Amino acid sequence: GAVVSQHPSRVICKSGTSVKIECRSLDFQATTMFWYRQFPKQSLMLMATSNEGSKATYEQGVEKDKFLINHASLTLSTLTVTSAHPEDSSFYICSASLGLNNEQFFGPGTRLTVL
Amino acid sequence: KNQVEQSPQSLIILEGKNCTLQCNYTVSPFSNLRWYKQDTGRGPVSLTIMTFSENTKSNGRYTATLDADTKQSSLHITASQLSDSASYICVVRGGYNFNKFYFGSGTKLNVKP
Repeated sequence: GAVVSQHPSRVICKSGTSVKIECRSLDFQATTMFWYRQFPKQSLMLMATSNEGSKATYEQGVEKDKFLINHASLTLSTLTVTSAHPEDSSFYICSASLGLNNEQFFGPGTRLTVL
Repeated sequence: KNQVEQSPQSLIILEGKNCTLQCNYTVSPFSNLRWYKQDTGRGPVSLTIMTFSENTKSNGRYTATLDADTKQSSLHITASQLSDSASYICVVRGGYNFNKFYFGSGTKLNVKP
């Protein structure tokens, strides 16, 4: 299957700082990327869907000004958690797809801890 | 309301034993159903995909079944190994325009020696 990478794999930051997470599709061009958040012992919760070159579509309850998503190229999407707070501590996972109707390939996830 | 429910929530079995995980869904219209394995601290990895016309599909020791009439799927793991310890997530694609993914809450499997 296709390979999706995330960087960093884990990050610890102070409250109030911003954190950027990168998601890359390594061997295919991803027209659509998805960002998920997963709290302990819970399933993945979709945060937003982004298509290359256009604005991301956010799920209900997800603040677009707090979770900035950029999908500037077919192989890279970034999620920036702005002014992070301890309640933002979570496991963030991206997935990449050839399109909305195609299989999703998941990245390995990024563990964010906000102190 | 489109939902995916998995059972059991968690399961402990001895190495070498078989087990079956369940997934019931109400997603309509239905496009496909995937089973993913998620190791702790890792992203999910696809095991199988089932479309409307498929009843059974195997991937090594993993066998998925689908009954589109009753909207039920199962994942059977044969001769379990310690490395099977993970969360297994059922994801149904469908809904309006067939383009939404509905995630189950997962079954946490623990295989003990």
